[in-house]
Amino acid sequence: QKEVEQNSGPLSVPEGAIASLNCTYSDRGSQSFFWYRQYSGKSPELIMSIYSNGDKEDGRFTAQLNKASQYVSLLIRDSQPSDSATYLCAVLSYGNNRLAFGKGNQVVVIP
Amino acid sequence: EAGVTQFPSHSVIEKGQTVTLRCDPISGHDNLYWYRRVMGKEIKFLLHFVKESKQDESGMPNNRFLAERTGGTYSTLKVQPAELEDSGVYFCASSQVAFGELFFGEGSRLTVL
Repeated sequence: QKEVEQNSGPLSVPEGAIASLNCTYSDRGSQSFFWYRQYSGKSPELIMSIYSNGDKEDGRFTAQLNKASQYVSLLIRDSQPSDSATYLCAVLSYGNNRLAFGKGNQVVVIP
Repeated sequence: EAGVTQFPSHSVIEKGQTVTLRCDPISGHDNLYWYRRVMGKEIKFLLHFVKESKQDESGMPNNRFLAERTGGTYSTLKVQPAELEDSGVYFCASSQVAFGELFFGEGSRLTVL
């Protein structure tokens, strides 16, 4: 079982729509959860962090965490072409104190 | 403020050769991490330095990989001898707090032929 799983298929959304990304993790003891955005050939950039159950909003981004179900999601509202990138889910497991990444979701926003 | 910088951005070598990758973290960041992404796979942890000490090197694939951080500033990752399966993108990241917000470099792409 992978530590962090993301549906790896590309997600195409029209400009202005909501992009929804999901991520599940295996370590029930995980406490910190992150979403990174990576443009092609560039460095991963942290866009959201979430530590407790519920929603956390930052601008057009909303992260949702459900520890009981072991999933974390990212919503991108009013998607813009500049949001076209790969989004990486990362989970910090305090068991081994490592940041584990999913394979990423490619998002393509169509003008 | 300069971000995390990595050199070279791309290296092409033949199997059996040696390659050294360099990472300059953000100034003042005691924590430095190496990660690797093999094509089609997720980014995987390699090791974690706190200053010049290896905090966790359990992700290093084998003894052909050697990481150093002399003086607690920049770090190098040497692969000797390189094998085909070592091809991938090697990312360096740094943080002020251990596993706080990680700032990544753009990666060093290694191609072993």
